[in-house]
Amino acid sequence: GDSVTQMEGPVTLSEEAFLTINCTYTATGYPSLFWYVQYPGEGLQLLLKATKADDKGSNKGFEATYRKETTSFHLEKGSVQVSDSAVYFCALSTSGTYKYIFGTGTRLKVLA
Amino acid sequence: NAGVTQTPKFQVLKTGQSMTLQCAQDMNHEYMSWYRQDPGMGLRLIHYSVGAGITDQGEVPNGYNVSRSTTEDFPLRLLSAAPSQTSVYFCASSPTGYPTNEKLFFGSGTQLSVL
Repeated sequence: GDSVTQMEGPVTLSEEAFLTINCTYTATGYPSLFWYVQYPGEGLQLLLKATKADDKGSNKGFEATYRKETTSFHLEKGSVQVSDSAVYFCALSTSGTYKYIFGTGTRLKVLA
Repeated sequence: NAGVTQTPKFQVLKTGQSMTLQCAQDMNHEYMSWYRQDPGMGLRLIHYSVGAGITDQGEVPNGYNVSRSTTEDFPLRLLSAAPSQTSVYFCASSPTGYPTNEKLFFGSGTQLSVL
């Protein structure tokens, strides 16, 4: 079945460091790909998405490119801030289903 | 605009008790769903609904029951609580009954402990 694999955390970075969180997927159809962010004590909220191969999603300085050839959707940010500390979830949803599949989440901690 | 509202925020149950987690949305969304979040396992889909009167099972439906009598409400019932149901529960919705390209709107969660 469809699945999402993302790197285990926690990831600890200093402020202004470069961030990469890896995400790979397996899917039988043509999925849409998403990154969600969960701040402490809150529900998840959409960070960015891409709906077809080679699309780049971006928001708040975060970017991710839909790479069909490597089945990846890695999240990047050039300079993280303390306020970026949160748990990040990679997810997919495939045409013809009513289901999102989420990865296990990666906790990011940014130190001042 | 309240969005997706979940109640209660915290609940402690004894094994064998039953309870209902409430979820309501005021955005006229067709699609609603329940997830549980467990450490190291991410979010797993329990049940979902694509409209009033229509529900279906997700990945981990055992021990849970749902109904969708109105567009706004999608309660999750624990029939006989077990310690394995200790988790954080999230309700999520999206505008149409076909959320493939759409984002999910999440509630703030219910933290449930079963002793």
